[in-house]
Amino acid sequence: AQSVTQLGSHVSVSEGALVLLRCNYSSSVPPYLFWYVQYPNQGLQLLLKYTTGATLVKGINGFEAEFKKSETSFHLTKPSAHMSDAAEYFCAVTLVIQGAQKLVFGQGTRLTINP
Amino acid sequence: SQTIHQWPATLVQPVGSPLSLECTVEGTSNPNLYWYRQAAGRGLQLLFYSVGIGQISSEVPQNLSASRPQDRQFILSSKKLLLSDSGFYLCAWSVRVWDTEAFFGQGTRLTVV
Repeated sequence: AQSVTQLGSHVSVSEGALVLLRCNYSSSVPPYLFWYVQYPNQGLQLLLKYTTGATLVKGINGFEAEFKKSETSFHLTKPSAHMSDAAEYFCAVTLVIQGAQKLVFGQGTRLTINP
Repeated sequence: SQTIHQWPATLVQPVGSPLSLECTVEGTSNPNLYWYRQAAGRGLQLLFYSVGIGQISSEVPQNLSASRPQDRQFILSSKKLLLSDSGFYLCAWSVRVWDTEAFFGQGTRLTVV
């Protein structure tokens, strides 16, 4: 079945440490890939996206992600965490389901930053 | 520039009461429109999407319905709310189907009591 999996519903890192949020997908066609961030009681904001071209994608707030087709992954990273990065992060992938393209979200990863 | 408005921001409704959440988009024409529900710890679930006026696709069987009476207006409704309808509802739009990002409204926190 086609799906999106975010490994770890909660991730906690220290301020200044590396942030790594994992996303793996299952798709029968090359996907379009997105990372969104959601602050409490707000809508989702696009961090970055991969459609075609360079597999290392840079987004807002210092985040980047790399599309690895062989690993079917699109992990999100940031070299140095900031307190303001505390939020929930969603990986999203376009999948073909019953002949139609759908945007499917992972379950989300809540990122906590420790001072 | 394009903007998306969703209201109300919060809503507390008794079981069995009707529901109407409204979403409008400005600054674009013929957008694709979506309703998502976010339940605690369960990510985002696509409820409905629409590629044009009067065209609604339902993703999951449920107690809710959607309508698109105008090009940039998307309404989520229920005739009788259930406790399980509680959650955070998000409206979104996109330019093309799925190869560009979706833009989200600020969400409606619905509590059914």
